[in-house]
Amino acid sequence: SAVISQKPSRDICQRGTSLTIQCQVDSQVTMMFWYRQQPGQSLTLIATANQGSEATYESGFVIDKFPISRPNLTFSTLTVSNMSPEDSSIYLCSVLWRAGDGYTFGSGTRLTVV
Amino acid sequence: AQSVTQLDSHVSVSEGTPVLLRCNYSSSYSPSLFWYVQHPNKGLQLLLKYTSAATLVKGINGFEAEFKKSETSFHLTKPSAHMSDAAEYFCVSGGYNKLIFGAGTRLAVHP
Repeated sequence: SAVISQKPSRDICQRGTSLTIQCQVDSQVTMMFWYRQQPGQSLTLIATANQGSEATYESGFVIDKFPISRPNLTFSTLTVSNMSPEDSSIYLCSVLWRAGDGYTFGSGTRLTVV
Repeated sequence: AQSVTQLDSHVSVSEGTPVLLRCNYSSSYSPSLFWYVQHPNKGLQLLLKYTSAATLVKGINGFEAEFKKSETSFHLTKPSAHMSDAAEYFCVSGGYNKLIFGAGTRLAVHP
């Protein structure tokens, strides 16, 4: 399966600022996904990032708040913009290496907004 | 629409006793189903997956799950719990482009 390197692993940010999270995969993958895990809760899909096209956002998530880049088949970034304490969560990227293989997740970025 | 229901938010067992974590799914077609484990301050690890082959799926660390279409269930079991099994477990339904996560079950293992 693919190996994902996600960084930063954690950060404490001031409200109103932005943080960019990076996700690097050791293999070329078509689809990359970004999830949010709010404290004590399950994972929710933010968006799907395909190389060469605009990201597809799930209901409740918008591009202005969570802009995503996907410049090539091994890399993606998620930016959390104009942060507020409600954005404090773990953010995870994920890839599907091959159909039927299951999804691989990065180790996550634990974000605290103060 | 797909949905996943994990019937227990917390399960507590003694070390050496069986583990049962319950999951029901809702889907208009036979989904792919997964169990993931999340240890504290660590990422998600795939335990096992069902993709319409054998209904009894064996995973890592002695876990297994049985897909029962008539009951729309995909319960996770392990014959003997180990202290290192204490973690959060997620039942997940999904296909090629989207995963639906259950709310999670926190497993506590006592000596």
